[in-house]
Amino acid sequence: DTGVSQDPRHKITKRGQNVTFRCDPISEHNRLYWYRQTLGQGPEFLTYFQNEAQLEKSRLLSDRFSAERPKGSFSTLEIQRTEQGDSAMYLCASSLVFNTIYFGEGSWLTVV
Amino acid sequence: EDQVTQSPEALRLQEGESSSLNCSYTVSGLRGLFWYRQDPGKGPEFLFTLYSAGEEKEKERLKATLTKKESFLHITAPKPEDSATYLCAVQAEKTSGSRLTFGEGTQLTVNP
Repeated sequence: DTGVSQDPRHKITKRGQNVTFRCDPISEHNRLYWYRQTLGQGPEFLTYFQNEAQLEKSRLLSDRFSAERPKGSFSTLEIQRTEQGDSAMYLCASSLVFNTIYFGEGSWLTVV
Repeated sequence: EDQVTQSPEALRLQEGESSSLNCSYTVSGLRGLFWYRQDPGKGPEFLFTLYSAGEEKEKERLKATLTKKESFLHITAPKPEDSATYLCAVQAEKTSGSRLTFGEGTQLTVNP
């Protein structure tokens, strides 16, 4: 069990550029979550997948955000036309159904 | 809407000085209450899950308790390595996907 893995750990991008984050969940975990966390705040739910199906999206997930989980394994979170307000840590997490949710180390995004 | 409030926002202790962190919650049907520890620049690390009022769990110098309205994280004889932000989160029965709603955390500093 190697834990939830996220890549890249840090990304600096110019406003208006697109960025993509990757998450590899704990093997056998069928649920995968994306959260966003800004400084001094707790993580906020963005979206989750059960296997390859995206079953819920938060109001926080604007149409510039898209997440995929092809074949129910790794997931990607893409942010198009980045804005300074997108600067945050993007956390991926995974779990079995109704079990503890384990988080990765996060991907820091800075939009300049 | 599910809500979690943590207090205090920040707490400074001397090594060996025991104290408690508070997590007050409102949720329509609690499936579970979670405590996580988060070090600067890293993802949340799972500590405990509590499911029903009266339940207690312990791990090293930490003990978590749960009532119908709040949870406490008791820290006995803390050490400097216990310094971190402690996050509380609730999981509601009604939410699909077992998403977590987090509080803003308590930043704990333990001085040697």
